[in-house]
Amino acid sequence: DAGVIQSPRHEVTEMGQEVTLRCKPISGHNSLFWYRQTMMRGLELLIYFNNNVPIDDSGMPEDRFSAKMPNASFSTLKIQPSEPRDSAVYFCASRTTGQLSPLHFGNGTRLTVT
Amino acid sequence: DAKTTQPTSMDCAEGRAANLPCNHSTISGNEYVYWYRQIHSQGPQYIIHGLKNNETNEMASLIITEDRKSSTLILPHATLRDTAVYYCIVRVNSGNTPLVFGKGTRLSVIA
Repeated sequence: DAGVIQSPRHEVTEMGQEVTLRCKPISGHNSLFWYRQTMMRGLELLIYFNNNVPIDDSGMPEDRFSAKMPNASFSTLKIQPSEPRDSAVYFCASRTTGQLSPLHFGNGTRLTVT
Repeated sequence: DAKTTQPTSMDCAEGRAANLPCNHSTISGNEYVYWYRQIHSQGPQYIIHGLKNNETNEMASLIITEDRKSSTLILPHATLRDTAVYYCIVRVNSGNTPLVFGKGTRLSVIA
């Protein structure tokens, strides 16, 4: 089991550029979550999918943020245009929908927008 | 909003038991108590969860009070690698209710 795989591990970009973060969930998991972590706000849920369908995107901060899950093995989080305040660590997590199934996190993408 | 209260930080001597408290006085009857931890530069890691009975696994023990208003995570023999932020979360264990993380407790294990 390779775990949840996120790429890139680090991303440095200039303000105004488009940023795409990628996530491969654990095979067989049918729920996927995107979180953002900053020192000020801690871990915040941005959006989650169940069976590739977005269920709740109320945590997405602005229209500049969008997330897709075209199939069960891949998801993207896109920021366009990026701003310095978007700098954070972005985590992807997955689980099965079994009631006792724990959440498995990737190691995150550290985004720096200058 | 997080529904739990945890101390901001704790220290523990290496080899001793680490007892991390959590208050969840507004917990509902169908909400479970979950514990995760986050080691520096890694994603959060599941530790254990329980409803009302005490639970034990290879990582830790979870003690839940009879009124369920508080719980304690016990790491029986803390090592330096247990230094991390520990999150206590209450969550309904149905459907796909997401985890809401609070600030957690920063545990420092000292040699």
